[in-house]
Amino acid sequence: DTEVTQTPKHLVMGMTNKKSLKCEQHMGHRAMYWYKQKAKKPPELMFVYSYEKLSINESVPSRFSPECPNSSLLNLHLHALQPEDSALYLCASSLAQGDLIFGSGTRLTVV
Amino acid sequence: GDSVTQMEGPVTLSEEAFLTINCTYTATGYPSLFWYVQYPGEGLQLLLKATKADDKGSNKGFEATYRKETTSFHLEKGSVQVSDSAVYFCALRNNAGNMLTFGGGTRLMVKP
Repeated sequence: DTEVTQTPKHLVMGMTNKKSLKCEQHMGHRAMYWYKQKAKKPPELMFVYSYEKLSINESVPSRFSPECPNSSLLNLHLHALQPEDSALYLCASSLAQGDLIFGSGTRLTVV
Repeated sequence: GDSVTQMEGPVTLSEEAFLTINCTYTATGYPSLFWYVQYPGEGLQLLLKATKADDKGSNKGFEATYRKETTSFHLEKGSVQVSDSAVYFCALRNNAGNMLTFGGGTRLMVKP
C-alpha cells in the first residue's frame, strides 16, 4: 500500500458545526502533515506530527484541532469555522527525512 | 529564509511542443529540489527530484537539472501531451528539516 487516503473527499459544513477530516497511511511513515491549499495557491503547512507527537504548529487558529491516535491515522477536527476557511485540505506522510506522499485532499466548503 | 520562485502562468502550448517551466531558489546549505504536479481536483504527486548539485531528475519524459551555480531547477519536456495539463509546483527541502518550501505554481494548458 503506497497511498495516503483522505476522507471525505468533499465536505460542506455550517459555521456552528463540528466535523472531522481523516487521513490514513499504511506505509510505516512516522511523520504526517496537514496542509491547507486555497485556489490557485501553493499548499501551506498547518501541522506536523512526528512519531505521533505534534512537532510543528504553524500558528493555526484553535478552531482547527489535529489529532494523531496512532502511527497510521491523522485527524483534523473542525469547529466554528469561517467561510474563509473553505479550501482543499491535504494530508501527507513521509519517512523521517523522506519524500512527502500526498493524499488527494478534502475539499471543504464552509457556509 | 528559504524561497522558491517560479514563472507565472498560465503556460499554453500546443500538443508536441517543447516545455520549459523556470524555477529558481534561495536557500542556505544544500537543499533537495522537487517538482510536484497537481491534476485538476487532485492532490500533489511527486514528479521528480534531485538531491545534490548537477543531479538530473527525470520521470514520464520530464527532466530537471539541479544547477547550484544559477540556483535553478527548470522543468523541461520535449513533447507535451494534452494529459500533461496540470499545475506544476517547484519545491525545496532544506536538509535542516523535512519541511517543503513551495513556489507559487505554474498552470500548464496543452491544446490538441
